[in-house]
Amino acid sequence: GESVGLHLPTLSVQEGDNSIINCAYSNSASDYFIWYKQESGKGPQFIIDIRSNMDKRQGQRVTVLLNKTVKHLSLQIAATQPGDSAVYFCAEKGQGFSFIFGKGTRLLVKP
Amino acid sequence: KAGVTQTPRYLIKTRGQQVTLSCSPISGHRSVSWYQQTPGQGLQFLFEYFSETQRNKGNFPGRFSGRQFSNSRSEMNVSTLELGDSALYLCASSFRTGVETQYFGPGTRLLVL
Repeated sequence: GESVGLHLPTLSVQEGDNSIINCAYSNSASDYFIWYKQESGKGPQFIIDIRSNMDKRQGQRVTVLLNKTVKHLSLQIAATQPGDSAVYFCAEKGQGFSFIFGKGTRLLVKP
Repeated sequence: KAGVTQTPRYLIKTRGQQVTLSCSPISGHRSVSWYQQTPGQGLQFLFEYFSETQRNKGNFPGRFSGRQFSNSRSEMNVSTLELGDSALYLCASSFRTGVETQYFGPGTRLLVL
C-alpha cells in the first residue's frame, strides 16, 4: 500500500484496549479541528470534529478532547479493534478555508 | 450518496511534462480543496475553490493551478513537472466554504520520472 509517512510516531496497542492519540496544534486562534483516519491506499476518512467552544465531544467509540490552554488535541478510541489500524491525523482550520494537518500517528492494533 | 471521486487514480509522467487531475465532489457540495501528500511533508494545502472562484491558496509555486466548473467539478494542473512533484494528490469537498467538514477522495498517485 501507499506509505503516508516513513517515520511516523507509532502507537501499538492490544486489541480491546483503549487508544489515545495526541496532537499539538499551532494556532491559538484556530476554532475548528478534525480527526481523520487514513488507511493504506485510501484518502483520509472523517472521524470526528470539535469546535473551540467545546472541550470534549463523543462519537461512536471515539472521544476528542481539546485543551486550548496548551493547544492540545487528543483522540481516544475505546475497545480498539484491528480495523482501527491506520494513520490518524489531526487537522486545524487555518486561514480562509484551509486545514493544517499534523504529521500523523500510526496506530497498530495487535490481535 | 456517492463519495468524492478522483481520476485518474495513478499517473506516471516525466520531468517537464504537465498533468491535469480531476475531482468530482459529493453531490450538492460546492467547495473543493486540493492537498498534496508526501512522506516527508505530510498533507499540505494547495488551494480551495467555491462557486468557481479560488478562495484560498497554499504556499505552492505558480506551476500548480486549478479551476472549478459550474457543476462544482474541479481540475488541478501541474506544469513543468519536477521529480519532487511525485505525491498523492487529494481532493476534498464540503457543502460550503467556511467551517465545514471536508470529505476526501481516494487520491491520484502521481509519479514523476
